[in-house]
Amino acid sequence: EDKVVQSPLSLVVHEGDTVTLNCSYEVTNFRSLLWYKQEKKAPTFLFMLTSSGIEKKSGRLSSILDKKELFSILNITATQTGDSAVYLCAVMNYGGSQGNLIFGKGTKLSVKP
Amino acid sequence: EPEVTQTPSHQVTQMGQEVILRCVPISNHLYFYWYRQILGQKVEFLVSFYNNEISEKSEIFDDQFSVERPDGSNFTLKIRSTKLEDSAMYFCASSDFAGYSNQPQHFGDGTRLSIL
Repeated sequence: EDKVVQSPLSLVVHEGDTVTLNCSYEVTNFRSLLWYKQEKKAPTFLFMLTSSGIEKKSGRLSSILDKKELFSILNITATQTGDSAVYLCAVMNYGGSQGNLIFGKGTKLSVKP
Repeated sequence: EPEVTQTPSHQVTQMGQEVILRCVPISNHLYFYWYRQILGQKVEFLVSFYNNEISEKSEIFDDQFSVERPDGSNFTLKIRSTKLEDSAMYFCASSDFAGYSNQPQHFGDGTRLSIL
């Protein structure tokens, strides 16, 4: 059975800290791995990773994929209270002509002032 | 920035009633999806839709569920006879045509469905 496992499930840090969120997967027909940020409602797209070893960056956030070891990490440096959210990892598999997403449970990040 | 919009934001319905959840995907997107998230659980795939037909569906998407694109902008999810266990947040998502490359799915704010 395809699965996506995120760790830790929750994390409390102080502003300015650096955090690393983990995502491991076992998916039969891997296509891409995606990270989303979910605050109150819609998961908001952060990154899509398809190739191993290529870091994607956006401001203080970065992510990398290891297709040999089947995991990805999401790093957030100099955290701010606005980073508080649930971070979702999802794997896109080859389903028909397009992929559906298999989600992990998410990591709930709380950043305290 | 273009976004996926969903209505209503909250729907309360008696068990056994039919509900229709509505979505307006991003205008130039061609792939459409429904996901659901039961409180405290993972986001789960329900169905994907392309070129006016279902591309893939999960085990959750049984005969009680149907999807439709009634016009050029709306994408709907219908639950024919709701059950208590259908209570969840339902997310619509859309993605662009990609050819052989991958495109991310963009999500709406969701409809919270509460079955009484």
